[in-house]
Amino acid sequence: EAGVTQSPTHLIKTRGQQATLRCSPISGHTSVYWYQQALGLGLQFLLWYDEGEERNRGNFPPRFSGRQFPNYSSELNVNALELEDSALYLCASSSPTGLQETQYFGPGTRLLVL
Amino acid sequence: QQQVKQSPQSLIVQKGGIPIINCAYENTAFDYFPWYQQFPGKGPALLIAIRPDVSEKKEGRFTISFNKSAKQFSLHIMDSQPGDSATYFCAATSHGGTSYGKLTFGQGTILTVHP
Repeated sequence: EAGVTQSPTHLIKTRGQQATLRCSPISGHTSVYWYQQALGLGLQFLLWYDEGEERNRGNFPPRFSGRQFPNYSSELNVNALELEDSALYLCASSSPTGLQETQYFGPGTRLLVL
Repeated sequence: QQQVKQSPQSLIVQKGGIPIINCAYENTAFDYFPWYQQFPGKGPALLIAIRPDVSEKKEGRFTISFNKSAKQFSLHIMDSQPGDSATYFCAATSHGGTSYGKLTFGQGTILTVHP
């Protein structure tokens, strides 16, 4: 069974640009979660999508947004990039069965903002 | 109230030793507590998880101890090996309220196991 996949693996942007990160969940999983792992700040929850709807949002500004497609893949968009947005962005997915609590992570997209 | 505090920040043990990593939380709504292992350049991988209705859970060499009254939980790694050298994160979530679906992570512990 393939795990969570993310693309691209690395992304370099300049301040003020927009970044788009993509995630494909494990087959059969309907929930997708996004986290930011910045140096020294640990893993911070960004967004949760389930069945195409945003279910919960972390303490991030509105320029962080996303969506979930009918095939359950997801996209994270970061507008007006700032230097402090440089981080590893992790996507996770979970199954619709049970309590949906176990989240499985992908390898991440490393975003560098210059 | 949403924080999970993890200690120590780093830990060095010899092969065969038993490293212990501790976490504490404030939010009594948390009802699921997973531990993740992360190697450099990789995403976190789920190791083991516990609910507050049990005080201990073992899976292979990994054991979680849970103290609901103290709002603390810890990870023990038995017979540690150099391959266990990684960063370990505790986390917590709930099945309702503002924490629903959101994993709140500790700051991480960098474990080094010397041969």
